[in-house]
Amino acid sequence: DTAVSQTPKYLVTQMGNDKSIKCEQNLGHDTMYWYKQDSKKFLKIMFSYNNKELIINETVPNRFSPKSPDKAHLNLHINSLELGDSAVYFCASSQGITGYGYTFGSGTRLTVV
Amino acid sequence: GQQVMQIPQYQHVQEGEDFTTYCNSSTTLSNIQWYKQRPGGHPVFLIQLVKSGEVKKQKRLTFQFGEAKKNSSLHITATQTTDVGTYFCAVDYKLSFGAGTTVTVRA
Repeated sequence: DTAVSQTPKYLVTQMGNDKSIKCEQNLGHDTMYWYKQDSKKFLKIMFSYNNKELIINETVPNRFSPKSPDKAHLNLHINSLELGDSAVYFCASSQGITGYGYTFGSGTRLTVV
Repeated sequence: GQQVMQIPQYQHVQEGEDFTTYCNSSTTLSNIQWYKQRPGGHPVFLIQLVKSGEVKKQKRLTFQFGEAKKNSSLHITATQTTDVGTYFCAVDYKLSFGAGTTVTVRA
C-alpha cells in the first residue's frame, strides 16, 4: 500500500561500480522527482519527469541518468560511483509540475566505499 | 532556483514550551510548503500556503504566510517529544528546500 516505494533501501558499493535505484508510485501522479539529501540534511533536486518527459535536469554529473518507462516509475542509474555520491536519495511524486504536496519515498541510503 | 533562508538551524526546546521557525526569501513567492522529516525518515508534507497573510492551523502547529509573501513561519505550541525532527520550508515549482530547522526536545 506504500504510495511511493523505492528499492533498495540501503546500498553499499565500491567506488567505480554502477548501480540503479528504482522508484514506483501508485498515486496516479504525473510528475516524479529525484532528490539528493547530503549528510547536513540539505535536500537538492536532481531530476523531474512529467508524463515521462524530462522537465528538470539540475547541475548533476552525467554519470547520473534517470529513466521513466511510464509515469508511475522513475529509476536512477549511476555510473562509476564516487565517494561523494554517498547520500540519501529520495524519490517523490506530485500531480502537476507545481504539485500540491509532494509525496516522498522512504529513501535509499547509498554508501560508496 | 529560488533561495530561501531558514532560521534557526537548530532549536532545542523544553517539553511544553513554544517555538517558532522562520523561512525568508528575497523575492516574492507564489506559495510555500512545509515539510517535516523525522530522524531516519523521509520528508512528509504538512501544508501549503498561497495567499498573502494566510494563517493555517493544524492542532498545535500554526503556519503563517507574510503579507508580502516573502516569508513564512511555523509556530509550535506546547512542544511534545513527537515534534522532534527537521522542519523544512520549500518553494518554487522545483520545490527548492530551505536548510531546515532541526528540533530536539528536552523532557
